[in-house]
Amino acid sequence: KNQVEQSPQSLIILEGKNCTLQCNYTVSPFSNLRWYKQDTGRGPVSLTIMTFSENTKSNGRYTATLDADTKQSSLHITASQLSDSASYICVVSGGSQGNLIFGKGTKLSVKP
Amino acid sequence: EAGVTQFPSHSVIEKGQTVTLRCDPISGHDNLYWYRRVMGKEIKFLLHFVKESKQDESGMPNNRFLAERTGGTYSTLKVQPAELEDSGVYFCASSQGFLAGGRREQYFGPGTRLTVT
Repeated sequence: KNQVEQSPQSLIILEGKNCTLQCNYTVSPFSNLRWYKQDTGRGPVSLTIMTFSENTKSNGRYTATLDADTKQSSLHITASQLSDSASYICVVSGGSQGNLIFGKGTKLSVKP
Repeated sequence: EAGVTQFPSHSVIEKGQTVTLRCDPISGHDNLYWYRRVMGKEIKFLLHFVKESKQDESGMPNNRFLAERTGGTYSTLKVQPAELEDSGVYFCASSQGFLAGGRREQYFGPGTRLTVT
């Protein structure tokens, strides 16, 4: 069964600190892996997209890694800001139709 | 450039009634997708339009759901009759063209929160 699992479910950190979010997937065939940021009441916004040949991709203070062998990905946030408070969703494109398969997300709260 | 817009932002209806959700994609985007997030669960794919044609509707839960995209511009998703388990947030996304490695960027709307009582 195609699945995307994320951990932790929620996370609270202090402003300025770093954090790492985890994603494991069992999707076959695999096309690409995406990380989205979703603010409350808004739609998901893409942060990074990686194919199997890409190990790391950065977008400002966000750095995503991908290990296609172990089917794991991480999203590292550096020097967190209050505006980073949101849900971060790991999404894998794949399966027989190449559709997007979503994880449940990690809810990040950045406190002052 | 305007993003993906959805209407209404929130709808409350009674079980058995009909509701129609609307999505306006980014101008020029041929691909339009519908997704749904039921409370406590992950976002799930419903269907995919390429212009006015249904490319993939494998995620549609049952025949109470009808999606249309006449003229290949905006799309509607009708639920008739609505059931309690249809409550959730319905997202629309659009994308244009094709990138190497299948990396079509999808741009999401803010969603319509549907509550069936």
